[in-house]
Amino acid sequence: AQSVSQHNHHVILSEAASLELGCNYSYGGTVNLFWYVQYPGQHLQLLLKYFSGDPLVKGIKGFEAEFIKSKFSFNLRKPSVQWSDTAEYFCAVNKALGDTGRRALTFGSGTRLQVQP
Amino acid sequence: DTGVSQDPRHKITKRGQNVTFRCDPISEHNRLYWYRQTLGQGPEFLTYFQNEAQLEKSRLLSDRFSAERPKGSFSTLEIQRTEQGDSAMYLCASSLSRGTSAEQYFGPGTRLTVT
Repeated sequence: AQSVSQHNHHVILSEAASLELGCNYSYGGTVNLFWYVQYPGQHLQLLLKYFSGDPLVKGIKGFEAEFIKSKFSFNLRKPSVQWSDTAEYFCAVNKALGDTGRRALTFGSGTRLQVQP
Repeated sequence: DTGVSQDPRHKITKRGQNVTFRCDPISEHNRLYWYRQTLGQGPEFLTYFQNEAQLEKSRLLSDRFSAERPKGSFSTLEIQRTEQGDSAMYLCASSLSRGTSAEQYFGPGTRLTVT
């Protein structure tokens, strides 16, 4: 069974600091990878996604993530965080085409990011 | 609003009662998913539909849970004889089945509290 690990449960940063949130998955096949964000009082929104091609993907609001296949990792980065980035961030994975099975997402437990002004 | 909608947003019920939640997906989306999220955890998959067919159910979906998607449009999730452990946020998501990489769009969720 596939699983997703997010190492940082709660991160506190000051504005303008750089951010890196870790995500590792366990699955030997081809996967699609996602980062979702949940702002306070709002529903889950897609931040960025990786399906194939360039392992460095850029998302909304200046976020990017790098897929390192050899490390089964998909870490999220942002060079300079803002107070408005305060939210919970979830890494997720599902199986890619050609591998039978569900398309449902498997989520990590989330990282709560608090950005102090 | 053309996003995924869920009703009700909050439900408080007494243990042993039955509850039903509704999800309206984005209109052209043929896939619909139910997830459950408890405090401090990420969403966990419960079940999903492609059109009206329920294609997979998680082990989390005990026999007290049933989901339907008549006519392949809206979906309902019913929990019978609720238990305190059923207290959670129930999330619905929808997507197109175009390839494998179809993005799932999430609704606001229904927060269930079982007293």
